[in-house]
Amino acid sequence: DVKVTQSSRYLVKRTGEKVFLECVQDMDHENMFWYRQDPGLGLRLIYFSYDVKMKEKGDIPEGYSVSREKKERFSLILESASTNQTSMYLCASSPPGGRPNGYTFGSGTRLTVV
Amino acid sequence: AQTVTQSQPEMSVQEAETVTLSCTYDTSESDYYLFWYKQPPSRQMILVIRQEAYKQQNATENRFSVNFQKAAKSFSLKISDSQLGDAAMYFCAYRSDNFNKFYFGSGTKLNVKP
Repeated sequence: DVKVTQSSRYLVKRTGEKVFLECVQDMDHENMFWYRQDPGLGLRLIYFSYDVKMKEKGDIPEGYSVSREKKERFSLILESASTNQTSMYLCASSPPGGRPNGYTFGSGTRLTVV
Repeated sequence: AQTVTQSQPEMSVQEAETVTLSCTYDTSESDYYLFWYKQPPSRQMILVIRQEAYKQQNATENRFSVNFQKAAKSFSLKISDSQLGDAAMYFCAYRSDNFNKFYFGSGTKLNVKP
């Protein structure tokens, strides 16, 4: 089974801290994604990556950055955490497009910024 | 950007009965894929069912089936013989044929009453 592992299930950080959310997949997938999930808003795409060292902005990239130095790892960075970034963060991966593949998701990181 | 709308924030169904969750989407594309994902309290997103837009036949997976109306841009999920384990958030998602980015609806929370 494809596994997408997010390093933390729960995280509490202080306002202004730099926060790293890590995601690792073990199926050699090219595509990786970071979403945030908020009640009533569903999942919104923050950033995605189609290849190593490649990144593209999603729909809500402000306040976030990403890093993909290795194919299996995709990190989401909150440069200076703010309370409005309190949310559930979901990582996902998939093979290349052009095929009707769904995502494989991680179990999510619930981040609280105080 | 494509939009996906789930107009039912929460629904309830009696165990063993049938329930239908609604989803509509907006797109100008002719080829695309539609998905239903389930997110139980464990937070792990699970693919329930997938529909290719070029297929007229509605997808079916055991107790789960869809009613895909391409002209109406509607993609509802029917759960038959509901079980307690079906209780979860359900998300409808859209994916372009040649682009692996997903758009998600806001979700429907399904409660199953014993």
